[in-house]
Amino acid sequence: DADVTQTPRNRITKTGKRIMLECSQTKGHDRMYWYRQDPGLGLQLIYYSFDVKDINKGEISDGYSVSRQAQAKFSLSLESAIPNQTALYFCATSDTASHSEQFFGPGTRLTVL
Amino acid sequence: RKEVEQDPGPFNVPEGATVAFNCTYSNSASQSFFWYRQDCRKEPKLLMSVYSSGNEDGRFTAQLNRASQYISLLIRDSKLSDSATYLCVVKLYTGGFKTIFGAGTRLFVKA
Repeated sequence: DADVTQTPRNRITKTGKRIMLECSQTKGHDRMYWYRQDPGLGLQLIYYSFDVKDINKGEISDGYSVSRQAQAKFSLSLESAIPNQTALYFCATSDTASHSEQFFGPGTRLTVL
Repeated sequence: RKEVEQDPGPFNVPEGATVAFNCTYSNSASQSFFWYRQDCRKEPKLLMSVYSSGNEDGRFTAQLNRASQYISLLIRDSKLSDSATYLCVVKLYTGGFKTIFGAGTRLFVKA
């Protein structure tokens, strides 16, 4: 079984709809992240959480919100989706070591019409 | 200027070729460096960390040049399976650790 899972894997929705993307991990890591990836751009950090009570905005948090329901679960919400939020979304986890790698989920491809 | 810059490519090389990618970073406070590999429509996965003394893992060699603020990845004896996008990743401490991903360099290895 995958260590980091994301649901749904693909989603098509309409402008103005509320969407939730979910992420679960079995690695026991405290740190979790949400990124979006657009063609020709690097991964951009939306939100990150260093533990259940610690949530921080990343570089592109406008239009998004998150919830860390448990150590293993971190969800991303688009309160009112807009077309320029069409992208590939990745959840990632890492442990607390400063040089630790990030482990990514398989991604969610979101299309907002 | 982007904080982490890579040549987007694509690099088209024949099997068996040696290919090198460079990545430059703008913040001299950068502390940790990595190369990730991303296959088409898949998640990024760590290829190797980059250490100050340089390091090698099989056909892959990574180098760090702090004075010029760049890291490099050398792939020897390219295989078809090396076709992917290679992401340069830099971690720096700005009161908390910040991880910055480059946009990636695409590599196509052809028979």
